[in-house]
Amino acid sequence: AQKVTQTQTSISVMEKTTVTMDCVYETQDSSYFLFWYKQTASGEIVFLIRQDSYKKENATVGHYSLNFQKPKSSIGLIITATQIEDSAVYFCAMREGQGAGNKLTFGIGTRVLVRP
Amino acid sequence: GPKVLQIPSHQIIDMGQMVTLNCDPVSNHLYFYWYKQILGQQMEFLVNFYNGKVMEKSKLFKDQFSVERPDGSYFTLKIQPTALEDSAVYFCASSLGLGGPQNTLYFGAGTRLSVL
Repeated sequence: AQKVTQTQTSISVMEKTTVTMDCVYETQDSSYFLFWYKQTASGEIVFLIRQDSYKKENATVGHYSLNFQKPKSSIGLIITATQIEDSAVYFCAMREGQGAGNKLTFGIGTRVLVRP
Repeated sequence: GPKVLQIPSHQIIDMGQMVTLNCDPVSNHLYFYWYKQILGQQMEFLVNFYNGKVMEKSKLFKDQFSVERPDGSYFTLKIQPTALEDSAVYFCASSLGLGGPQNTLYFGAGTRLSVL
């Protein structure tokens, strides 16, 4: 069965610094997809970045980047030059490649507070 | 990014009554999903829907639950009758497809359902 674990419940950082969040996953599939979302204070869930398991290069979008360590089943999220508006809850999610449905399994989330 | 709209944002209802949660997916998306989040827990998959049919549902998708999207209007989740344990935030999502970049899910801001 697939499982996604985020061990950090909350992180506090100063504005303009870098924050790193951990996520480990369990899957039996050789092909899978990994996603990071953030949930803002208003409840909106925003897609940030994804990593397909067959791609060796770490994904980067704007000031978000991933640290994909496949042998460790790990997909960390790195946010550089943090801004106040990056304060949110960040969710890691995985979809296994096999089977229909595009079903995501989520982690419990990491709350990030960016302080001025 | 692509927007999914959910109406209403909060619904309060007496146990045993029927409730319909509405979702306006991204306009060109073909696959639709409902997820449930109980306070303090991770989001969990309920059901996905394509071409007028349920593709896959989880054990959380009880017999009292149903989904439909009549004539390309709102994608709805109906619960009849409601139970106390149905209190949660329900998130709607949509995706363009199932493979590659098309399988990215885009979420709405959720409907908070309170069953009294």
